[in-house]
Amino acid sequence: DTEVTQTPKHLVMGMTNKKSLKCEQHMGHRAMYWYKQKAKKPPELMFVYSYEKLSINESVPSRFSPECPNSSLLNLHLHALQPEDSALYLCASSQEFVFSGNTIYFGEGSWLTVV
Amino acid sequence: GQQLNQSPQSMFIQEGEDVSMNCTSSSIFNTWLWYKQDPGEGPVLLIALYKAGELTSNGRLTAQFGITRKDSFLNISASIPSDVGIYFCAGHGSGNTGKLIFGQGTTLQVKP
Repeated sequence: DTEVTQTPKHLVMGMTNKKSLKCEQHMGHRAMYWYKQKAKKPPELMFVYSYEKLSINESVPSRFSPECPNSSLLNLHLHALQPEDSALYLCASSQEFVFSGNTIYFGEGSWLTVV
Repeated sequence: GQQLNQSPQSMFIQEGEDVSMNCTSSSIFNTWLWYKQDPGEGPVLLIALYKAGELTSNGRLTAQFGITRKDSFLNISASIPSDVGIYFCAGHGSGNTGKLIFGQGTTLQVKP
């Protein structure tokens, strides 16, 4: 089973709203990731959690706030977003992070539209 | 930083034709991963390569980790309409970092 589950599939939010994206994996992976993807572009790394600790923040604006409640769950809290934040948000996981030979598995993504 | 050059950018082929796409880098990579992404979906892993020279098949797909560790190719044989999508190469560069570097993608269209 190489499944990463993301909810919701689609989210429309106003610029003053607070919402969250959720991600879950049960593969025993200890690294989890958030990526942002614009149409027809490759995914861009936002955050990496390794063993439930934030390892990388790719200079992401503070209106995006990640949270890793346990080794299976990853959240992305959204507040005061801008229309240009509209994109596909992808969660991913891998066995480890600091190990270049590991394989990264992606979820189906959450489509976010900011109005 | 390390970059991947993926080509071609797009392809429009007839059903039944074979397809080849590749990724190159000016620096060494330790792993190569090939993903396919359908519209509105997340990338799905097709093939993972971990050793220089490795040649791996997955059904009609074949991928190779270049012997110089600076390139990889993906071949699709006898294409079918459901092969349509965007194909991304990705890899882990030297330095034992877990950050995945992506190519810009190859958009494949198949004419029935």
